[in-house]
Amino acid sequence: EPEVTQTPSHQVTQMGQEVILRCVPISNHLYFYWYRQILGQKVEFLVSFYNNEISEKSEIFDDQFSVERPDGSNFTLKIRSTKLEDSAMYFCASKSRRGGIDEQFFGPGTRLTVL
Amino acid sequence: QKEVEQNSGPLSVPEGAIASLNCTYSDRVSQSFFWYRQYSGKSPELIMSIYSNGDKEDGRFTAQLNKASQYVSLLIRDSQPSDSATYLCAVKGSGSARQLTFGSGTQLTVLP
Repeated sequence: EPEVTQTPSHQVTQMGQEVILRCVPISNHLYFYWYRQILGQKVEFLVSFYNNEISEKSEIFDDQFSVERPDGSNFTLKIRSTKLEDSAMYFCASKSRRGGIDEQFFGPGTRLTVL
Repeated sequence: QKEVEQNSGPLSVPEGAIASLNCTYSDRVSQSFFWYRQYSGKSPELIMSIYSNGDKEDGRFTAQLNKASQYVSLLIRDSQPSDSATYLCAVKGSGSARQLTFGSGTQLTVLP
């Protein structure tokens, strides 16, 4: 069964450094999302991406964040200058374009630790 | 501000019993509703989706939706210890690209 994959599974970085989190969505899906979950808290939406552009973004997704689909398979989240409070699990999700199917499938996540 | 509320639990049920999980949401235009299961340290795993009022059954799981009351529930029949996890209610508004808004989750423990 097709799955969303994410790399790396764990990223440790120093405050102020740039990180890039990578995702390979399910191959026939056209909607892509990033969510994050700070330890012990809710899953929070960051950004959605469709047709090579951002569809929606939350107030968390400020100028330090960017997303890109550099080729036909990868979907990346870049944090330009990490802060301590960026430490969280980051989940990529994707959704089919099939009518009536609104289900988002999540990848295994990347645990980001900012020191 | 769109809100999704769940009882945080913990909810404990004996093996073989029915577990009942509840969720309310604030945004009346919400159109799609989901239950995800999340094991500790893992990602959310979709277990049920429901789009119209009434019940939807899939194996041991039944989702119930009442849009007038803005209420979604999940019943797990014949609960197993492997069902022990946090169950997340998620709600999506209208529009194909719209994001999910998650509740804080209900922690379920099924006692052998």
